[in-house]
Amino acid sequence: QVQLKESGPGLVQPSETLSLTCTVSGFSLTSYSVSWVRQPSGKGPEWMGRMWYDGDTAYNSALKSRLSISRDTSKNQVFLKMNSLQTDDTGTYYCTRGEGPMDAWGQGASVTVSS
Amino acid sequence: DIQMTQSPASLSASLGETVTIECLASEDIYSNLAWYQQKPGKSPQLLIYYANSLNDGVPSRFSGSGSGTQYSLKINSLQSEDVSIYFCQQNYDSPWTFGGGTKLELK
Repeated sequence: QVQLKESGPGLVQPSETLSLTCTVSGFSLTSYSVSWVRQPSGKGPEWMGRMWYDGDTAYNSALKSRLSISRDTSKNQVFLKMNSLQTDDTGTYYCTRGEGPMDAWGQGASVTVSS
Repeated sequence: DIQMTQSPASLSASLGETVTIECLASEDIYSNLAWYQQKPGKSPQLLIYYANSLNDGVPSRFSGSGSGTQYSLKINSLQSEDVSIYFCQQNYDSPWTFGGGTKLELK
């Protein structure tokens, strides 16, 4: 069964760095790509970036200067780090599977940026 | 970036009715269009990919169509469990982008 699960702190101080982990099961990170998608409350999703199955990365140009995505295939984990957080970075952060259409999503991690 | 414009933003329909949601891309996306359903408090789930292919396990009352810049999602015989927000997403060009969503409610 394909599963993705996000974990990380729910509260981040402004200007600090967000670190999230996506732990996957039921598929291999060397066969499928994993993306990070975020969604502010009441708004549409925003694709942030992707870890390709071959280890390459792709980023949304709007976030590229603040965002880093990496992985540990031995632990079946994909990591997101985003620095200089502001209040408009508040929302739910999802990891998803797929190179085009995203056919599996995690439950989401709620992140609030506040002092 | 490719802009995705969904309409309507909200929709109220009766059980058994047929509803259609539209999605307009700012440029040709060559059918690289997916539709997602998001129930309250849940993560989005893939319904349709490549404009008209039904994802595994999705009821056949859902269908997708379109080409070029114009796409639509149709729900036949609306059921109570279809109350959700629906999003379109293009995966033709990076960054992938989503529509603003259509909130479907029961009348």
